[in-house]
Amino acid sequence: DAMVIQNPRYQVTQFGKPVTLSCSQTLNHNVMYWYQQKSSQAPKLLFHYYDKDFNNEADTPDNFQSRRPNTSFCFLDIRSPGLGDAAMYLCATSKGRDRGETQYFGPGTRLLVL
Amino acid sequence: AQTVTQSQPEMSVQEAETVTLSCTYDTSESDYYLFWYKQPPSRQMILVIRQEAYKQQNATENRFSVNFQKAAKSFSLKISDSQLGDAAMYFCAYRPTLFGNEKLTFGTGTRLTIIP
Repeated sequence: DAMVIQNPRYQVTQFGKPVTLSCSQTLNHNVMYWYQQKSSQAPKLLFHYYDKDFNNEADTPDNFQSRRPNTSFCFLDIRSPGLGDAAMYLCATSKGRDRGETQYFGPGTRLLVL
Repeated sequence: AQTVTQSQPEMSVQEAETVTLSCTYDTSESDYYLFWYKQPPSRQMILVIRQEAYKQQNATENRFSVNFQKAAKSFSLKISDSQLGDAAMYFCAYRPTLFGNEKLTFGTGTRLTIIP
């Protein structure tokens, strides 16, 4: 089945140690999103790619960066994780940017910062 | 700025009964989309139903329907004949139709428990 895959499902890192989360999709969608979801909070959009065009949200910390080497893969890099970055990170895709389009989510990567 | 409020952190319903989850939002836009997403435990979030603000008719998807009150900025989800598989976190979400603003704004969610 076509889907959005996130690896790993759980990631433990040390304070200040760079970490990369990955997302892949078999849907051949043009748009890929990264959301941060802290415990008991709403998912919050960090940034998205429309094809190769990167779109950062204004309040996303500089510590968070992303790469999309091809249509299928997108990476979230956290350069120097702090304790406050512990969260579930959700990757999502959509075919285009039409406002009514469905976003398809991966199962998420739970990040723990020690 | 747009905000989405879900005032019920937790809800429970007896299996086969009907439950309504509440959502209100704040926006100055006239056209937008509203969504309900479902996030089962340890599984990915999936779309349940969507509503375009310009459509007066309430959206329906099988056992799921919405009550969209544009003037009141209210968008509730009704689940009929509740099933064990409906147990999940439900998120209400808003998206404007303005070009250049692709942001999906979520509420904080309602955790729904189904009682057998």
